[in-house]
Amino acid sequence: AQSVTQPDIHITVSEGASLELRCNYSYGATPYLFWYVQSPGQGLQLLLKYFSGDTLVQGIKGFEAEFKRSQSSFNLRKPSVHWSDAAEYFCAVGGLTGGGNKLTFGTGTQLKVEL
Amino acid sequence: NAGVTQTPKFQVLKTGQSMTLQCAQDMNHNSMYWYRQDPGMGLRLIYYSASEGTTDKGEVPNGYNVSRLNKREFSLRLESAAPSQTSVYFCASSEQAADTQYFGPGTRLTVL
Repeated sequence: AQSVTQPDIHITVSEGASLELRCNYSYGATPYLFWYVQSPGQGLQLLLKYFSGDTLVQGIKGFEAEFKRSQSSFNLRKPSVHWSDAAEYFCAVGGLTGGGNKLTFGTGTQLKVEL
Repeated sequence: NAGVTQTPKFQVLKTGQSMTLQCAQDMNHNSMYWYRQDPGMGLRLIYYSASEGTTDKGEVPNGYNVSRLNKREFSLRLESAAPSQTSVYFCASSEQAADTQYFGPGTRLTVL
């Protein structure tokens, strides 16, 4: 069965500091990997995704993530955090096994940005 | 394009009442999904429809039914609501299986 672990429930960073959010996954084949962001009271917005090819993927709002197969990880990074980045971030894994794209989500990391 | 729309945005039910959550997408997507979100548990898949005319159970289907009314619409029904179904419900759609999913704004449901 596929699964996602986001080991950090809460993270606080200062504005302008760098950020790394951790994501580890378990999947029996080549995974499709996603990062979504959720602002309070809103739905989920896609930040970036990895399907194949270059293991470093760029997303919106200056975010990037690197797929490391050997570590089963897909960590999200941003070089300089802005106060507007405060939100909850979800990593998800899916793929072509079985019927439909059944994404499995992590439990989320709540990001707080200190001014 | 409105993307994925959900109605209602908020709902309060009493235990045992029934209701249907509506979801529609205008992106001509083939696949649609219903999730529930609870604090500390991420999003859990309730039901999904890989294509028009098909539906399948997800991780937490008990107490729910779904209908893929047509390619655009996918509804979620609670026949006899229970307090354990208090949650935020999200509908999503994707062009094909394994594609990016696009989410609606959510329905916040409270069952007393």
